[in-house]
Amino acid sequence: AQKVTQAQTEISVVEKEDVTLDCVYETRDTTYYLFWYKQPPSGELVFLIRRNSFDEQNEISGRYSWNFQKSTSSFNFTITASQVVDSAVYFCALSAPNTNAGKSTFGDGTTLTVKP
Amino acid sequence: GAVVSQHPSRVICKSGTSVKIECRSLDFQATTMFWYRQFPKQSLMLMATSNEGSKATYEQGVEKDKFLINHASLTLSTLTVTSAHPEDSSFYICSASRQWDQPQHFGDGTRLSIL
Repeated sequence: AQKVTQAQTEISVVEKEDVTLDCVYETRDTTYYLFWYKQPPSGELVFLIRRNSFDEQNEISGRYSWNFQKSTSSFNFTITASQVVDSAVYFCALSAPNTNAGKSTFGDGTTLTVKP
Repeated sequence: GAVVSQHPSRVICKSGTSVKIECRSLDFQATTMFWYRQFPKQSLMLMATSNEGSKATYEQGVEKDKFLINHASLTLSTLTVTSAHPEDSSFYICSASRQWDQPQHFGDGTRLSIL
């Protein structure tokens, strides 16, 4: 079975605060990929990052950073100095070749609200 | 980056009408495309996997006679909601991916409202 858990349903922060969105996954595959997507209020989902199971190096892209830890099966996403434009629903997803016919499994999403 | 075009963006129609939604992969040939349904404040629910040149694979609980999927070419998949009723009102999203280890690229979604 394959599962992605985003325990935080909603998070509200004030602009300029840092915020971390949690993602915990389960899979029996040893090779897999993890993804984060952003869905702003307008509705279109935007791909943010992809990480494969063999690369535990953390990644930083501007104010965004991702922490991948296989030991805890987590792929957390941190936004530094949050802005109002970061308000969106964020989805974590998992894809593996031998499970679920290679289709991505999505978490339930975390709704982030950044208040001015 | 890759672009997926979904049309129309919004449909309002009467109960009993059939509605067709198109999804085009503009930048690459997509042998596989996905159709999702999303209810307000909920996650993406995969409805079916659309395979070019073959029948779509539907997820459990999705009525294939209700939601007809056709993947006529490597760049076009269509979802037809047949004889739509108010309970079919939802946000429908398509996506395309080169292969399982690549990100999905999503259309902008279609907001369907059945009166």
